[in-house]
Formats: sequence, C-alpha cells, structure tokens
Amino acid sequence: NAGVTQTPKFRVLKTGQSMTLLCAQDMNHEYMYWYRQDPGMGLRLIHYSVGEGTTAKGEVPDGYNVSRLKKQNFLLGLESAAPSQTSVYFCASRGTGSTDTQYFGPGTRLTVL
Amino acid sequence: LAKTTQPISMDSYEGQEVNITCSHNNIATNDYITWYQQFPSQGPRFIIQGYKTKVTNEVASLFIPADRKSSTLSLPRVSLSDTAVYYCLVGDIGSGGYQKVTFGTGTKLQVIP
Repeated sequence: NAGVTQTPKFRVLKTGQSMTLLCAQDMNHEYMYWYRQDPGMGLRLIHYSVGEGTTAKGEVPDGYNVSRLKKQNFLLGLESAAPSQTSVYFCASRGTGSTDTQYFGPGTRLTVL
Repeated sequence: LAKTTQPISMDSYEGQEVNITCSHNNIATNDYITWYQQFPSQGPRFIIQGYKTKVTNEVASLFIPADRKSSTLSLPRVSLSDTAVYYCLVGDIGSGGYQKVTFGTGTKLQVIP
C-alpha cells in the first residue's frame, strides 16, 4: 500500500514549455486534490475531483488543467509554464466519509526559468 | 469559508508541553476542526480532528470549547522531531466532495534542545 505517489519529484522547465504531473493513489479514494505551496506559505487548492471523470476549479486554477480518467489517477497539466508557477505541488486524496481526512503525496518541486 | 488565525511561530524546549491555539470565529455548524503537521520537503500529515469538547489520540490532544470559536492543539513532551509547521483547518467535510477548507500559513514550531 503506497498511499499517494507523485511523479516526477523534481522538474525544471523553460517558460512556455508544457508538462503533466501525475498523482496516483491506491486507497480507492473518490476525492482527489491538487495544491501548490509557495515558500513560507500555506497550501492553495488548484483543482479537485469528486470522482472518476469529474473535475472542478479550486482557489487558484488559472494556468492549469486537470483530468481524472481513472479513479486512481489525477493529472495536473501546465500548457504554457510561467515563472509564477514555480512552486511545490502536492496531491491529496480522501474518502467520502464525513470524518475522512486527506492523505498527501510527497510533492513535486517545479522550477520554471 | 471559515478563516483561521494561528500564531506564526512558537519556540519550545524539549520535554515541554506545547499548546497551539487557533481562532475560527465564523465556524459553521457542519465544520470539523482538523490539524495537520508538515515537515520540510514533505506533504502535510493528519494529526487530529474534532468537532467539540476534547479529542485525544496517541500523538496529541485537541481541546474545543463549547462555542467552537477556537481550538487548541496540545503536544505533550515535545522532542526535536516535533519541529514542523502545524496547520489548523476548519471546513465542511463531505459536502459535495469539496473539502471546503483553507490552509493558512500555519504555526512554525521550533523545538530547542
């Protein structure tokens, strides 16, 4: 049981390049989330999904797209990376119970030059 | 969204009990209070969650007064390994799948030898 895993762990992009971050969970969770964390700040929700085939915008969705084609995977895409998207990205998942909590992945450190 | 206010930082000596208080004046009836711990370069990790009164687990205790406008995370006899950022979250868990919670900047706890 690996929990929540993220690929890759580190990535450096040039402005304008695109990339996809992969999040995978093996806990059969319905809900999945993508956050970003900037230095010295808390986490901010980018997009989330309440089930396979569904996605919705969070607090800071601009410049990102997501897809949830399979229940266990949640992909975060950057179509045209900008230096402002330099951050650490965390994925999380949780079950549907009212007291269920989020399980977080180890993070992806992205630098956009 | 219920906004939370926590001290930015705290210092404590090893072996002492640490209490971190979070203020959430506009907490809603359905909101739970959840605390997470985050070490550098890692994703947040669930510590404890409660709705009212007192909750205790093997790691910490959570005290919630009757009006629920604040909560206190208590860490007994801290060690150096408890040095981390602690986040207080208040949100409606389960409603439509969107965990309506906001991560603030958290409290950076520094344990001193």
